[in-house]
Amino acid sequence: EVQLVESGGDLVQPGGSLRLSCVASGFTFSTYWMHWVRQAPGKGLVWVSRVKTDGSYTNYADSVKGRFTISRDNARNTLYLQMTSLRVEDTAVYHCAAGPSGYVTYWGLGALVTVSS
Amino acid sequence: EIVLTQSPGTLSLSPGERATLSCRASQSINNNYFAWYRQTPGQAPRLLMYDASRRATGIPDRFSGSGSGTDFTLTISRLEPEDFAVYYCQQYSSSSLTFGQGTRLEIK
Repeated sequence: EVQLVESGGDLVQPGGSLRLSCVASGFTFSTYWMHWVRQAPGKGLVWVSRVKTDGSYTNYADSVKGRFTISRDNARNTLYLQMTSLRVEDTAVYHCAAGPSGYVTYWGLGALVTVSS
Repeated sequence: EIVLTQSPGTLSLSPGERATLSCRASQSINNNYFAWYRQTPGQAPRLLMYDASRRATGIPDRFSGSGSGTDFTLTISRLEPEDFAVYYCQQYSSSSLTFGQGTRLEIK
């Protein structure tokens, strides 16, 4: 059974930092592109970032470029998202997701990040 | 950034009826790099279609996708109870991936 389990969500003040993790199982992690997709409470899906199978390529939505960093550890089947300079508008459930490249085949339930003073 | 606009915002239908959901892109989508997802409350999204018209693993044939260029459609031929949910389109033609704002399919 495929599982993507996110952790690290928390309440953080504006300007703060947080690191999300996602542990994958049930599929060959190293052969999938990995994504982070976020969803503000009651709102739609917003793509955040993705990383290629071997970590050699990454790209980001303009709204997080320069503040967020995506990375992966294929030996640990783990995806990361380092978030800095957090803003109130970054408040959302952050879904870890896996796919062949541009679309997503597998999704996690997400980790809630709340940015508030 | 390619903006995707879904219509209608909300669709009210009865089980057994046919549903047609639309998504229009602000620029032409190359290679039909287009996907559809369904999300029920409290659950993660589920991939329905990719490459505009290919059904994902385990998706029944009452789901079909069509379109090219800037206009894409998801059709559900006979609505089942589990189909009443929110549907999102997504493009992966450009390096900056984008989703539509969603169409809510509700029971009439």
